[in-house]
Amino acid sequence: EVQLLESGGGLVQPGGSLRLSCAASGFTFSGHSMSWVRQAPGKGLEWVSVIGVGGVPTFYADSVRGRFTISRDDSKDTLFLLMETLRVEDTALYFCARGSQAAGGFDYWGQGTLVTVSS
Amino acid sequence: DIQMTQSPSSLSASVGDRVTFTCQASQGIRNSLGWYQQKPGKAPKRLINAASAFQSGVPSRFSGSGFGTEFTLTINSLQPEDSATYYCLQYNSYPLTFGQGTRLEIK
Repeated sequence: EVQLLESGGGLVQPGGSLRLSCAASGFTFSGHSMSWVRQAPGKGLEWVSVIGVGGVPTFYADSVRGRFTISRDDSKDTLFLLMETLRVEDTALYFCARGSQAAGGFDYWGQGTLVTVSS
Repeated sequence: DIQMTQSPSSLSASVGDRVTFTCQASQGIRNSLGWYQQKPGKAPKRLINAASAFQSGVPSRFSGSGFGTEFTLTINSLQPEDSATYYCLQYNSYPLTFGQGTRLEIK
């Protein structure tokens, strides 16, 4: 059974940093592109970033480019999102999802980890 | 960026009804479109991919169609458990973009 388990969310002040993790199981993690998708409270879904097989390529939404960095550790079946210079508008539930443009979207999702940016 | 516009933004229907949602792309995306269902407090679930391809385990009352810029999701014979928000996603090019969602209420 495919499982994606996010962690690392929490309360952080504007300008602060946070690193999210997504532990994958039930499939060959190294063989799949992985993405982060977020959802602000009461709002719709927003794709954030993707990382390809072997760590390349990577793409980012304009809203996070230059502040967020996606990475993966295939030896630990784990996806990461390093978020820096956080803004109030980054407050959201962050989902880890398996998939990408080439994969035709997202077939499995985690339950999300909540990031709150507030002073 | 490709903008995805869904209509209506919300819809109320009765058990047994047939409902149709629309998703319009700001430019042609071939059939690179998926439909997702999200219930409160839950992760999204993919229903349809490649505009009309069923996902394993999804009830047959869900169907999708379209190509280019206009796409539809139809639910035949609505069930109480279909109450949710439905999103379209274009994956023709980056950045991947979702529609704003259609909230479906079952009367």
